[in-house]
Amino acid sequence: EIVLTQSPGTLSLSPGERATLSCRASQSLSRRYLAWYQQKPGQAPRLLIYAASSRATAIPDRFSGTGSETDFNLTISRLEPEDFAVYYCQQYDTSPQTFGQGTMVETK
Amino acid sequence: QVQLQESGPGLVKPSQTLSLTCTVSGGSISSGGYFWSWIRQHPGKGLEWIGYMHYSGGTYYNPSLRSRVTISMAASENQFSLHLASVTAADTAVYYCARRFSGGDCYDHWGQGTLVTVSS
Repeated sequence: EIVLTQSPGTLSLSPGERATLSCRASQSLSRRYLAWYQQKPGQAPRLLIYAASSRATAIPDRFSGTGSETDFNLTISRLEPEDFAVYYCQQYDTSPQTFGQGTMVETK
Repeated sequence: QVQLQESGPGLVKPSQTLSLTCTVSGGSISSGGYFWSWIRQHPGKGLEWIGYMHYSGGTYYNPSLRSRVTISMAASENQFSLHLASVTAADTAVYYCARRFSGGDCYDHWGQGTLVTVSS
């Protein structure tokens, strides 16, 4: 199965700053079937990005996804207070679908 | 707005079967061509896809769990269920039900999750 490695493990930033999260796949995602989720404590994940770069419904445009093959990024252009959370990537390019271990974005 | 809600025991003994039900409101599980899914999250860890089912009867499971998992559906009650047999402490997790997104194998609607602990 494809292993997704997210980095960094924790990102310490201030509101208004730019956040760049990385997700690296152990094999190429030829169809770019990669999603990003946001999870806050005690809540279910929330779909942000699918197919590497498409925003899900009602997701603000400060969230953007880029990448191809094995390297993908989630960028939050200007952090809002509600953006401090854990972010997971998920590949559904090859079965079984798998998730990364998460990146925590915390307040500096 | 589709909403999902998990229900079931929060404590299961080792070797027994874990059974959870997801009740869907705000939409019918028998329409729209969606797959209805179970995903779990071990404490403090990442997410693991368990499997999903379509109203037509098609079911797909994670190979790592396939020998122990059954997902079924009660369309008349707008519910679907997870049964995981022969559980061990390694099955302790928060279990989520979710709706597979129409655009691919990702998930746009989730239940709040329910913690199931496997312990004697």
